[in-house]
Amino acid sequence: KAGVTQTPRYLIKTRGQQVTLSCSPISGHRSVSWYQQTPGQGLQFLFEYFSETQRNKGNFPGRFSGRQFSNSRSEMNVSTLELGDSALYLCASSSTGLYNEQFFGPGTRLTVL
Amino acid sequence: GIQVEQSPPDLILQEGANSTLRCNFSDSVNNLQWFHQNPWGQLINLFYIPSGTKQNGRLSATTVATERYSLLYISSSQTTDSGVYFCAVGAYNQGGKLIFGQGTELSVKP
Repeated sequence: KAGVTQTPRYLIKTRGQQVTLSCSPISGHRSVSWYQQTPGQGLQFLFEYFSETQRNKGNFPGRFSGRQFSNSRSEMNVSTLELGDSALYLCASSSTGLYNEQFFGPGTRLTVL
Repeated sequence: GIQVEQSPPDLILQEGANSTLRCNFSDSVNNLQWFHQNPWGQLINLFYIPSGTKQNGRLSATTVATERYSLLYISSSQTTDSGVYFCAVGAYNQGGKLIFGQGTELSVKP
């Protein structure tokens, strides 16, 4: 079974731009969660999507948004980028959510200049 | 919310040594996982262990849910074991997310 894939793997943007990251979960998994990892804050939860609906949301500003498609692929969008958005963005896939094991993708490393 | 504390924060070992990493959490959980983060940033699943004991090769883990801690044992460590080990817990009454500890950075010297 193929693992979780994320694209792109690396991204460089400038302040004020917007960015879209993509995550394809393991086949058959319907839950996709997104996390941000920074040296100062560690790993923090952004949001979870299940069957095309946002089911849970972390404490991030509205500039961070996401969606999930009918094939369970998910995208995350960050608008009006700030320097502090530079981070490793990881997505996790599971069959139904928190009661099941979460599997992570390789991440997208975003640098904002 | 649930607090997750990992200890020690850093650990240096000689190849072949054994180690124990600890994860304490402050409330009941529905999910507990151990991960190894590789140098490229990917989180590699080690154990899904909300309770009980599991073993996988040189690694084993035990979670005592009633006492709110989990232990990860690494035996006969190898240089490839180096990296950061994360414990993550989750509870549905905490927003359906994994809450990560700050990690234990392990360095295994040849």
